[in-house]
Amino acid sequence: TQLLEQSPQFLSIQEGENLTVYCNSSSVFSSLQWYRQEPGEGPVLLVTVVTGGEVKKLKRLTFQFGDARKDSSLHITAAQTGDTGLYLCAGENAHAGNNRKLIWGLGTSLAVNP
Amino acid sequence: DTAVSQTPKYLVTQMGNDKSIKCEQNLGHDTMYWYKQDSKKFLKIMFSYNNKELIINETVPNRFSPKSPDKAHLNLHINSLELGDSAVYFCASSQRRKPYEQYFGPGTRLTVT
Repeated sequence: TQLLEQSPQFLSIQEGENLTVYCNSSSVFSSLQWYRQEPGEGPVLLVTVVTGGEVKKLKRLTFQFGDARKDSSLHITAAQTGDTGLYLCAGENAHAGNNRKLIWGLGTSLAVNP
Repeated sequence: DTAVSQTPKYLVTQMGNDKSIKCEQNLGHDTMYWYKQDSKKFLKIMFSYNNKELIINETVPNRFSPKSPDKAHLNLHINSLELGDSAVYFCASSQRRKPYEQYFGPGTRLTVT
């Protein structure tokens, strides 16, 4: 069974601090996505990374895909209260064939306090 | 315009009842999904349809029956509801081409009493 482990599971920080969330697996993924989910809403796609070693930036958020395409990280600089939410990583199995689906992490619940 | 919409947003019902959740997407995607998110926030895929054809059917009790009348709609009917069915159900859609980016509806919170 494929697993995507996210750490930390919970994170509570003050506004202005930096943080990093990790997503790790023993499986290789053809792509990896990060989503943010706010209470009462569905997950919203933030970014997709597809190339080993790829780095993408979205304002204060920096996403990196591991060289071997088995892991990823999300770094937030100078966190704001609006960053509060559940961050989910999801990887697409590189060898799924016709059974393509996303493998989801358990999520990191981030609370940014004013 | 809402990209992926679901109705109802909230559903409270008693054990043993039958209920349906409807989903529509206007993104022109060819693949639609149903996910279940439990109280621990884990997203578990239930079904996936591509061009109205069932392509993924995870280990889901056969009380759950999806139906896709066309590419833009995917409904979920649940028979004989049980307490353990209480969860948030999300509909999502995507294009089958790589990468497999998914767009989610707002969710339906089902509470079985």
